[in-house]
Amino acid sequence: KAGVTQTPRYLIKTRGQQVTLSCSPISGHRSVSWYQQTPGQGLQFLFEYFSETQRNKGNFPGRFSGRQFSNSRSEMNVSTLELGDSALYLCASSGTEREKLFFGSGTQLSVL
Amino acid sequence: AQSVTQLDSHVSVSEGTPVLLRCNYSSSYSPSLFWYVQHPNKGLQLLLKYTSAATLVKGINGFEAEFKKSETSFHLTKPSAHMSDAAEYFCGGISSGSARQLTFGSGTQLTVLP
Repeated sequence: KAGVTQTPRYLIKTRGQQVTLSCSPISGHRSVSWYQQTPGQGLQFLFEYFSETQRNKGNFPGRFSGRQFSNSRSEMNVSTLELGDSALYLCASSGTEREKLFFGSGTQLSVL
Repeated sequence: AQSVTQLDSHVSVSEGTPVLLRCNYSSSYSPSLFWYVQHPNKGLQLLLKYTSAATLVKGINGFEAEFKKSETSFHLTKPSAHMSDAAEYFCGGISSGSARQLTFGSGTQLTVLP
């Protein structure tokens, strides 16, 4: 089975721009979660999608949004980028065992 | 709301000595707890998980963790550190309430000295 795939691997944007990150889960997994990872802050939960519905949402501003498609692929969008949005964004999928997350390698976003 | 706290941001041990990475959780109900490991430039990998079947949980690569409700702790241990254990470790949990949100601690960077 192919693992969780995140694209692109690296992104450089400037303040005020918007960005879309993509995540393809493991085949058969219907749950996709997104996390923001920064040094010192650890992993901050963004949101979780299950069968195209947002099941959980973390404490991030409305500039952060996501969606899930019928094939379970998910996208995350950040609008009006700020310098503080620079981080590694990780996507994870899970099957029936919800705490058994399979993580992608992440998208490293740099906002200049 | 449940949260997990990793008490050390950095831990340094010598190869062959025991490893102890500390994690406390706050919750009024039995949680589902787990430990993940992240090696440099790689995604996170599940080490072990606790789901109330047994208080001592054995994971991969010789790691284990003990759930202590009286201390609200779920510390990760390994009897003898290897160089390959150098990585960042994340403790996390899922609340048993309706939200069932997965949350992680801030991470502990483990350094193994030769």
